[in-house]
Amino acid sequence: QKEVEQNSGPLSVPEGAIASLNCTYSDRGSQSFFWYRQYSGKSPELIMFIYSNGDKEDGRFTAQLNKASQYVSLLIRDSQPSDSATYLCAGTSGTYKYIFGTGTRLKVLA
Amino acid sequence: DAGVIQSPRHEVTEMGQEVTLRCKPISGHNSLFWYRQTMMRGLELLIYFNNNVPIDDSGMPEDRFSAKMPNASFSTLKIQPSEPRDSAVYFCASSWSSSYNEQFFGPGTRLTVL
Repeated sequence: QKEVEQNSGPLSVPEGAIASLNCTYSDRGSQSFFWYRQYSGKSPELIMFIYSNGDKEDGRFTAQLNKASQYVSLLIRDSQPSDSATYLCAGTSGTYKYIFGTGTRLKVLA
Repeated sequence: DAGVIQSPRHEVTEMGQEVTLRCKPISGHNSLFWYRQTMMRGLELLIYFNNNVPIDDSGMPEDRFSAKMPNASFSTLKIQPSEPRDSAVYFCASSWSSSYNEQFFGPGTRLTVL
């Protein structure tokens, strides 16, 4: 069974701090990874995707991928209360099929 | 541009009744996905269509669930008969098929089966 594992949280960080969200995956064939943000009662929306080892930055967000360790992370710099949401990690082995983690709930405290 | 459209947004029904959920994907997208989300199991893929053809229905829980895509702009997910354990949020998503392409999610249908 291919799995994507996330700590359910909640992860609480003070406003302005760096939030670090982590994800591990079991399928070594996974090639691409996606971070979705889901506000309570809303649908998931894509924040970033990454498919190469290393870091990828987009504004306050940085995605990190380590294929040797089968580890993906999302860093949110200067966290804001509006970043409070559930963050879903998803992996795919190069096909349509995304395997989603159950998500980490982030709370940014004002 | 309109995003993925789903209806109804909320559905409350009694056990044993038939439920039909509807989805209109983003125009031009050729891949459509039905997901179910629960607290316990997270987001699970139920079925995937490519160019209106069902490619993978391995996630469909059992024969009570069926899905159709009669044309590129419409899909249905039907549950007959419904059971309380079917209560969940059902999302439809669409994309231009590619492993690197974003799946765009609709607003979801919250189904409650009493």
